[in-house]
Amino acid sequence: DAGVTQSPTHLIKTRGQQVTLRCSPKSGHDTVSWYQQALGQGPQFIFQYYEEEERQRGNFPDRFSGHQFPNYSSELNVNALLLGDSALYLCASSTTGLATNEKLFFGSGTQLSVL
Amino acid sequence: AQSVTQLGSHVSVSEGALVLLRCNYSSSVPPYLFWYVQYPNQGLQLLLKYTTGATLVKGINGFEAEFKKSETSFHLTKPSAHMSDAAEYFCAVSPSGNTGKLIFGQGTTLQVKP
Repeated sequence: DAGVTQSPTHLIKTRGQQVTLRCSPKSGHDTVSWYQQALGQGPQFIFQYYEEEERQRGNFPDRFSGHQFPNYSSELNVNALLLGDSALYLCASSTTGLATNEKLFFGSGTQLSVL
Repeated sequence: AQSVTQLGSHVSVSEGALVLLRCNYSSSVPPYLFWYVQYPNQGLQLLLKYTTGATLVKGINGFEAEFKKSETSFHLTKPSAHMSDAAEYFCAVSPSGNTGKLIFGQGTTLQVKP
């Protein structure tokens, strides 16, 4: 059983460009959350998707947007990239209902470098 | 607002020594607390969690943590460090119950010396 898979693993972009990161949740999971982990920092919650809608959002600008597809996979889009967007982007999947936090599984992340 | 503070960004212990990683939290509601471990180039793996009930929780790889409400702490311990324990450790709190949104501390790098 595959866990949470993210693609690509590494990405290099230049300032002002746009980027799309992808996440496939663990089998049986229907909720996807995205986190940004800057170097030397803990992960920060960006947003969460369930039933193809954004359910919760952290303190991130509108340049960060997402999408969830009917098969529960998800994309994170970042527009007008800034140098400060360089980070490891983690996807976490879970199921709704009881014990969501206890069944949160993380992918290995996409390392984004903005030059 | 909920927050997590991990005391000590780097902790170094000798193999076989006690591991103690400190975490203090602030929460206006009864907290759900977690410890995660991150190995290089990998995602986060759940070590243990506290939701309700017994305040001493045991996790994987011999780790345990004790929830102390009076001290707003959730320190992680392991009686005897192993070389394979070298990694980054994150304490996290769930600010709104069981929703999948976590607030993480800054992390503590554990170094284990032979």
